[in-house]
Amino acid sequence: NFMLTQPHSVSESPGKTVTISCTRSWGRIASNYVQWYQQRPGSAPTTVIYEDNQRPSGVPDRFSGSIDSSSNSASLTISGLKTEDEADYYCQSYDSSNPWVFGGGTKLTVL
Amino acid sequence: QVQLVESGGGLVKPGGSLRLSCAASGFTFSDYYMSWIRQAPGKGLEWVSFLSTSGTTIYYADSVKGRFTISRDNAKNSLYLQMNSLRAEDTAVYYCARPINDYGGNFDYWGQGTLVTVSS
Repeated sequence: NFMLTQPHSVSESPGKTVTISCTRSWGRIASNYVQWYQQRPGSAPTTVIYEDNQRPSGVPDRFSGSIDSSSNSASLTISGLKTEDEADYYCQSYDSSNPWVFGGGTKLTVL
Repeated sequence: QVQLVESGGGLVKPGGSLRLSCAASGFTFSDYYMSWIRQAPGKGLEWVSFLSTSGTTIYYADSVKGRFTISRDNAKNSLYLQMNSLRAEDTAVYYCARPINDYGGNFDYWGQGTLVTVSS
């Protein structure tokens, strides 16, 4: 089974741009779609990016996703940061032996 | 609107059993795959189990295989998780969620979760 590794925490100021990485330990990151979930304190996760770079309706275009094969990682970029973006973010992808693999999560602080 | 409402959580002793339920509404339940995902206190998300529309395809995480059983009643629009031989490490909030496919696809809807605490 592969692992998805995320930074434990990131912080940035309101109005700035932040990028959260998600590195796949083995196997090609591009071989399976990556999803990103946002989880605010005390709430269930919600999808902000699915299928690498697709935004569900209602998610602002400040959120974008990408894949970088050279670093074997996926990235979630949030531009024009708002205090409401402060949350935990999880990446997720597919493994044939363990169908849904989650990254360890990244705590985003907007200060 | 789609709603998933979990119930059945609580405090149980190690070795005990508990049955979680997830009541679905706002969509044709029998047309959709379903899953359980858990989150230990202060920890990340862990996928637990998957069930196909008809109940014929089932997957479990290695951590629960042989102890947990997923099932559904399409007539009652409900998903279940029977948890036996519970361990302290099973303590978590358990979410039911709707995956868009059976191979790692997006969970497009989640319930609010139910807390299971395994402690003596």
